[in-house]
Amino acid sequence: GAGVSQTPSNKVTEKGKYVELRCDPISGHTALYWYRQSLGQGPEFLIYFQGTGAADDSGLPNDRFFAVRPEGSVSTLKIQRTERGDSAVYLCASSLSAGTGGTEAFFGQGTRLTVV
Amino acid sequence: GESVGLHLPTLSVQEGDNSIINCAYSNSASDYFIWYKQESGKGPQFIIDIRSNMDKRQGQRVTVLLNKTVKHLSLQIAATQPGDSAVYFCAENGNTDKLIFGTGTRLQVFP
Repeated sequence: GAGVSQTPSNKVTEKGKYVELRCDPISGHTALYWYRQSLGQGPEFLIYFQGTGAADDSGLPNDRFFAVRPEGSVSTLKIQRTERGDSAVYLCASSLSAGTGGTEAFFGQGTRLTVV
Repeated sequence: GESVGLHLPTLSVQEGDNSIINCAYSNSASDYFIWYKQESGKGPQFIIDIRSNMDKRQGQRVTVLLNKTVKHLSLQIAATQPGDSAVYFCAENGNTDKLIFGTGTRLQVFP
């Protein structure tokens, strides 16, 4: 089946605008993760969902960032009043389940967000 | 000046040689580890994983070694090929439900 799909692949927005980034996980995967990756660095955890609920949102940098997954499948990451420092690649990943044992997470291609 | 973060550690190897990429992880409570490969413009791609009850695991051309005493993880790639050129990340779970990534190592393969 299809892998994790993220749209758009690129997004350029003006400082202060609102943006939405979409993630379609692999069908049947209950766990969904959002990461942010800046140039030359590893992905940084933002939030993860188990089903419809946000199980851990400790990585969201501030209250301008919000994510939803209303039906336990597609997720949207929302950023209000964007700032230039928000520019990065936003990665989504999904796995069959989450848990302290860990399971393989599959990543999408990412959305490159540029705030000008 | 430039951010230190822009200068990834780089490993340069000749095609056909073996590569060893090292990673020091931070959390002694981590019990699950993954190596990812990331090519330019793409998302991280799973290579191999290992749980803390093992110290070695082999895949196709790749081997992961785990030393819990010194919190060290390594990825060995046999007969390195040009297609192996990428940035490699180790990730640990910190005994949580999320993955925590290291800073990455760039592998360059020369013909």
